[in-house]
Amino acid sequence: AQSVTQPDIHITVSEGASLELRCNYSYGATPYLFWYVQSPGQGLQLLLKYFSGDTLVQGIKGFEAEFKRSQSSFNLRKPSVHWSDAAEYFCAVGAGQAGTALIFGKGTTLSVSS
Amino acid sequence: DTAVSQTPKYLVTQMGNDKSIKCEQNLGHDTMYWYKQDSKKFLKIMFSYNNKELIINETVPNRFSPKSPDKAHLNLHINSLELGDSAVYFCASSLSTSAYNEQFFGPGTRLTVL
Repeated sequence: AQSVTQPDIHITVSEGASLELRCNYSYGATPYLFWYVQSPGQGLQLLLKYFSGDTLVQGIKGFEAEFKRSQSSFNLRKPSVHWSDAAEYFCAVGAGQAGTALIFGKGTTLSVSS
Repeated sequence: DTAVSQTPKYLVTQMGNDKSIKCEQNLGHDTMYWYKQDSKKFLKIMFSYNNKELIINETVPNRFSPKSPDKAHLNLHINSLELGDSAVYFCASSLSTSAYNEQFFGPGTRLTVL
């Protein structure tokens, strides 16, 4: 069965520091992978997605993620974190009919300290 | 504004009551979804409709009944509410069932069952 693991429940980084959020997936075929961000009290917004091709994908707000098939990972990175990046981050894998159903990890809460 | 909207934003009710949550999208999308986010922020797909037809029905109690009167609307009716139904419910839409299409999420409805 498909699953997504986000090993870090809560991460705190200093403003201006680099960030890496970890995501591991379990999926039989080539996965469709996504990172979403949820700001407090808000819905989810897509940061980036990977389907095929270049394993380093660029997203919005300066985020990028790298797909590593050998490690079943899709880690999210940002070189310099801003206070406004504090939010909940969800990794997801597309499954089911044409990959429609999103299976989410349990999320990582990012806090940014000044 | 083009978006996915949900009403109400907050819903507080007693056990045993019946309630509905409405969702509308004006993005011209064919596919709509309902997700449930529990108190630990875990997100799980409940239902998916494509062009008013049910295509995903996860293991959800039959007290939950989605209804899609047209492509732009997917409402969620819940009978005999239980304490465990307390959660945030998110509606989402995408252009089609293909995972290539981004899912756009509504702001969520926080349901509290007393």
